[in-house]
Amino acid sequence: EPEVTQTPSHQVTQMGQEVILRCVPISNHLYFYWYRQILGQKVEFLVSFYNNEISEKSEIFDDQFSVERPDGSNFTLKIRSTKLEDSAMYFCASSVNPAGGNTIYFGEGSWLTVV
Amino acid sequence: GQQVMQIPQYQHVQEGEDFTTYCNSSTTLSNIQWYKQRPGGHPVFLIQLVKSGEVKKQKRLTFQFGEAKKNSSLHITATQTTDVGTYFCAGRSNTGKLIFGQGTTLQVKP
Repeated sequence: EPEVTQTPSHQVTQMGQEVILRCVPISNHLYFYWYRQILGQKVEFLVSFYNNEISEKSEIFDDQFSVERPDGSNFTLKIRSTKLEDSAMYFCASSVNPAGGNTIYFGEGSWLTVV
Repeated sequence: GQQVMQIPQYQHVQEGEDFTTYCNSSTTLSNIQWYKQRPGGHPVFLIQLVKSGEVKKQKRLTFQFGEAKKNSSLHITATQTTDVGTYFCAGRSNTGKLIFGQGTTLQVKP
């Protein structure tokens, strides 16, 4: 079964450093998402991306976050200057289209620890 | 903004007992999806409900969507240890965004 792949699986970074999390969505999918999950809490929407632009973002996705699809296969989330509260599991997801009836597939996540 | 509430937060059951988790949205949903997340794992899609009053079954799991499309439930009959995990409901917007509930963590004692 096709899957969303994410790298790295775990990253430890110092506060203030930049972090890039990488994702390879399922190949025929057109809609891409980033979610995060702080330990023990619910999954929270960050951003959705379609046709090389952000289609929707949450209040969490402030100016320190950015997304990019640099080469037609990778989808990246950049955190410019990490804070302690950015420590979380970050999930990339993709779907064929956003409409109901199309499953959103999640990657296995990138666990970010900011120290 | 739209909120999705889920109860209970935790449920401990003896293997063989039934389990139910409930989901309520502050607004009418176009559809609702259910995910299961094993400890240390990622959300895995279980099912989507679209129609008012819809009921779907997957083996021992029964999913319901309320008539007003603002609430949903997941019922597991005769739980097994393999059912352990956190079950999330999520309302889906027309843009594809999922608004997750807080999840119900199920523990099953053998």
